[in-house]
Amino acid sequence: KAGVTQTPRYLIKTRGQQVTLSCSPISGHRSVSWYQQTPGQGLQFLFEYFSETQRNKGNFPGRFSGRQFSNSRSEMNVSTLELGDSALYLCASSLWGGGLSYEQYFGPGTRLTVT
Amino acid sequence: SQQGEEDPQALSIQEGENATMNCSYKTSINNLQWYRQNSGRGLVHLILIRSNEREKHSGRLRVTLDTSKKSSSLLITASRAADTASYFCATDASNDYKLSFGAGTTVTVRA
Repeated sequence: KAGVTQTPRYLIKTRGQQVTLSCSPISGHRSVSWYQQTPGQGLQFLFEYFSETQRNKGNFPGRFSGRQFSNSRSEMNVSTLELGDSALYLCASSLWGGGLSYEQYFGPGTRLTVT
Repeated sequence: SQQGEEDPQALSIQEGENATMNCSYKTSINNLQWYRQNSGRGLVHLILIRSNEREKHSGRLRVTLDTSKKSSSLLITASRAADTASYFCATDASNDYKLSFGAGTTVTVRA
């Protein structure tokens, strides 16, 4: 079974631009979560989707948004990029929708650099 | 803000030795999970322990959970060079559909 895939793997953008990251969960998984990882803040929760519905959102500005499609694939978008948005963005999927009391399968991440 | 705090921040051991790291958290949880991350790559799930469990084993891994102290420990026995990685604890609370990660412990296993 294929794992979680994220595209692109690496991205360089300029301040003020916007970016869209994509995540394809493991087949059959309906829950997709996004995390931002930086050296200073560590792993921070962005949002979680289940069956196209956002069930929780982390403490990030409105420039960060996401969505999930009917095939469970998910995208996240960051508008008006700032230098501080440089990070590794990780996507994770899990099988069940009842809370997150199940193991999360993580993708390899998208390394975003904002210059 | 992070729910969990790991201790120590970094650990260096000789191959074959045991490695122990601890995680403390602040609020009541449903479950606690441990993940491993190699060199800024994706996280790999190691073990999940539910709030009504006290100890769990998986291969060379042993996890304990003390909900009265809001703490957990991860023991890796007979370490190998391949165990060199960062280890994170993650907690989830009732129905908030998110994992809160600690800052992580970086483990270096010397040959």
